[in-house]
Amino acid sequence: GNSVTQMEGPVTLSEEAFLTINCTYTATGYPSLFWYVQYPGEGLQLLLKATKADDKGSNKGFEATYRKETTSFHLEKGSVQVSDSAVYFCALSGNAGGTSYGKLTFGQGTILTVHP
Amino acid sequence: DSGVTQTPKHLITATGQRVTLRCSPRSGDLSVYWYQQSLDQGLQFLIHYYNGEERAKGNILERFSAQQFPDLHSELNLSSLELGDSALYFCASSVGVTENTEAFFGQGTRLTVV
Repeated sequence: GNSVTQMEGPVTLSEEAFLTINCTYTATGYPSLFWYVQYPGEGLQLLLKATKADDKGSNKGFEATYRKETTSFHLEKGSVQVSDSAVYFCALSGNAGGTSYGKLTFGQGTILTVHP
Repeated sequence: DSGVTQTPKHLITATGQRVTLRCSPRSGDLSVYWYQQSLDQGLQFLIHYYNGEERAKGNILERFSAQQFPDLHSELNLSSLELGDSALYFCASSVGVTENTEAFFGQGTRLTVV
């Protein structure tokens, strides 16, 4: 079945530091890949997505590239801010041969804390 | 605001009881998904409905059931509750069922079983 593995956290950075959160996946077919962010006390919000190999998703300074050869979708940001402190989830959708392509398989989440 | 409304936001109940969680999807969205978020299991897919019909089941216990009504709102029923059912339950909605479709999440219902 599908699975997503994220780097273990928590991750603690100083403001303006470079961020990488690793994500690898196992899936049949050609899944779409997503990064969701969860701020304290809130639901999940889509941060970015990529729907095919070599696509780069980007939003709010965050980027991730769909690498089919390494089955990876690492999240990066060049300069983090205190307001980026949140939990980040890598996810994939797709259920080749099934009827629920939209359901998401999530990684375990990575807690990011950014200090001033 | 994602446009997905979940009620109640918090629920405290005793073991053995039954509760109903409600989800109103975004206007125009036909798909509703339920997820459970717990510390030990992370975010787990429970069930998916599309336009009133069940499309897929994930790690949903037999004590749990769901349905989607003609007005497209959905309810998740949890019965014979156990301490381990304490979790955050999210509903998400999307327009369709393709893998490219963005899912919009509600703020969740925090269930505490005591």
